[in-house]
Amino acid sequence: EVQLVETGGDLIQPGGSLRLSCAASGFIVSSNYMTWIRQAPGKGLEWVSVIYSGDNTYYADSVEGRFTISRDNSKNTVYLQMNSLRAEDTAVYYCARLGSVQGYLSLDYWGQGTLVTVSS
Amino acid sequence: DIRMTQSPSSLAASVGDRVTITCRASQTIRRYLNWYQQKPGKAPKFLIYAASNLQSGVPSRFSGSGSGTDFTLTISSLQPEDFGTYYCQQSDSTPYTFGQGTKVEIK
Repeated sequence: EVQLVETGGDLIQPGGSLRLSCAASGFIVSSNYMTWIRQAPGKGLEWVSVIYSGDNTYYADSVEGRFTISRDNSKNTVYLQMNSLRAEDTAVYYCARLGSVQGYLSLDYWGQGTLVTVSS
Repeated sequence: DIRMTQSPSSLAASVGDRVTITCRASQTIRRYLNWYQQKPGKAPKFLIYAASNLQSGVPSRFSGSGSGTDFTLTISSLQPEDFGTYYCQQSDSTPYTFGQGTKVEIK
């Protein structure tokens, strides 16, 4: 059974740093594309970042230069290192697998989310 | 970036009604369009990929259509458990942007 479990969300002051973790089971993270999606309170979904199986990464403009996605293959875990946090980064952060069927990519498995609150 | 626009932003319908949600892309995305359903306090659930292909386990009352820039999600006979917010998402090119969501309520 595929499962994704995010941890690491917390209340953090503006300018601070936080690392989110996404532990995967039921599939191998290194062979898949993995993404982070966030949702601010009462708002819609915002795509944040992706790490491809070849280690290429991509970020939304809103987090470029501040956030870093990575993975630890030995732990089958994906991370999101968030630096220089701002109030507008407050959101539930979801980890999701970007699956591929006949070349069509979709977010086929999601974690339960972890809440990051940036406030003084 | 490709902008995704959904309409309507919200709707209320009765059980048994046919419901249609539209999603428009700011440029062609071929058929690289996904749909998700989200219920309050829960992670989104994957419904449809490649514009019209149902994910395994999704009820057949859900269907998707379209290509290029215009897409629709149809619920042929609305059920009580279909309440929630529906999002389209393009996977043609990064960033893989979402529509703003359509909230579906049961009358």
